[in-house]
Order: sequence, then structure tokens, then C-alpha cells
Amino acid sequence: EVHLVESGGGLVQPGRSLRLSCAASGFSFAGYAMGWVRRAPGKGLEWIGFVRSKHYGGSADYGTSVKGRFLISRDDSKSIVYLQMTSLKTEDTGLYYCTRDLTKISASPSGASLSDPLAADFWGQGTPVTVSS
Amino acid sequence: DIQMTQSPSSMSASVGDRVMITCRSSQNIGKWLAWYQHKPGKAPELLIYAATGVQSGVPSRFSGSGSGTTFTLTIDSLQPDDFATYFCQQAHSIPPTFGGGTTVEMK
Repeated sequence: EVHLVESGGGLVQPGRSLRLSCAASGFSFAGYAMGWVRRAPGKGLEWIGFVRSKHYGGSADYGTSVKGRFLISRDDSKSIVYLQMTSLKTEDTGLYYCTRDLTKISASPSGASLSDPLAADFWGQGTPVTVSS
Repeated sequence: DIQMTQSPSSMSASVGDRVMITCRSSQNIGKWLAWYQHKPGKAPELLIYAATGVQSGVPSRFSGSGSGTTFTLTIDSLQPDDFATYFCQQAHSIPPTFGGGTTVEMK
């Protein structure tokens, strides 16, 4: 059974940093892209970003509001995906979910295989982040 | 970023009703749309991917349709467990943006 367990959330001041972790089990972690999604209080879901499997280069992509401030990485030996958040803002407050991502594969003009998000088929329970002074 | 607009934003329905939720994209996204169900205090669940593909384990009363810029999630014969908020998400291009959500409440 797939399990995703987030940790590391808490109260942090604006401008500071925080690292979230997501421990995965129940599937072959290395073979999947992994992502993060958040939901701010009273608002909808927002895609934070995802990291591809090493088979597809292990690169990451990010949402517009967090690009340049957040970094997603993975440790396949431990089945953990991380979300390093820097320069935090009050609007980053929310419940942060770890996701296992299905991807769609296409070919680049050079013939390389590209892996891009299709849907998040499993989600963790979330870890809360509050950015406030 | 591609903008996703859901309608209605909320609705009241009764058990047994047929519920239809619409999602529109600001540009053509082909078939690249997913639907999720989210209940308070629980993790969101994937219902539909690629517009019409039903995720394993999802009851057959859930179905998706549409392509291009207009998509529909249909729940045939609404059950008590279906009162929740539903989100669409485009997967045509990065970032994969979500709609604002549709809350289905008990009438």
C-alpha cells in the first residue's frame, strides 16, 4: 500500500527558511516523479512543483509563485523527497501535500524522452506551514 | 500560466441527484485534464486523468468528458460519501494549474 508521510512543517517568520520532508513507502520510489501541492486557508489547491525520476533526468520544475525560492530534491536511497523553502512569505502559509505523480512521456525534437506531469495519484495527509511574525 | 475556471463554485444537491461540474481552460489543453475530490481533513484523491480516464478504485458513478477548453465531471446518483470539494487541474503545460474548486453540499 502506498504511504506518503510529510513532516517538517511549523511556524516560521517571514524571510526565513524551512525544509519539508516526505517519506514514501509501498512502491518503487525511484521509478516515480514526486511533487508538492499546497492549499492555503480558504483557498484552492496550488501546484508547487515536482521532481522527475532519475530515469528522466531527475530535474525539477516549479510553480510561478515559488520559482527561485523553493527547491525540490529527492534521495532515492531513503525514499524521501524534500521541499526546501527559502525567503518565505506570509502567503506561503498553508497545508503542504506530498504527491506521487503520474507523468506523460513525449519526445523532444532531439529525440530525448520528456517526462511532464499528468496527475497526482497518491497524496499524503499534509503538513501545515504558517509564515507569520 | 493557463487559467482554469470551474463552475459553479458551490452547489446544493441531494442523494441520488446527477451532478455535473464544468471546468474551462484559458487555452486549448487537448485531453490533458484531471479531476480530484477533496474532503476536509483528508488527502485529495484522484478521480479522473486525461479527461476521461477513471482512476483505479474510483466508483463507476464518476465520469469525465470534454476536450479542448471545456470539460465536465459527472457524478451519477450522488452518494453521501460524495459531498466534498472537487478540483480540476490542467496537465497540458507547466505549471499544471488548478481550478478554484466546486463544493458540493447537501441540500
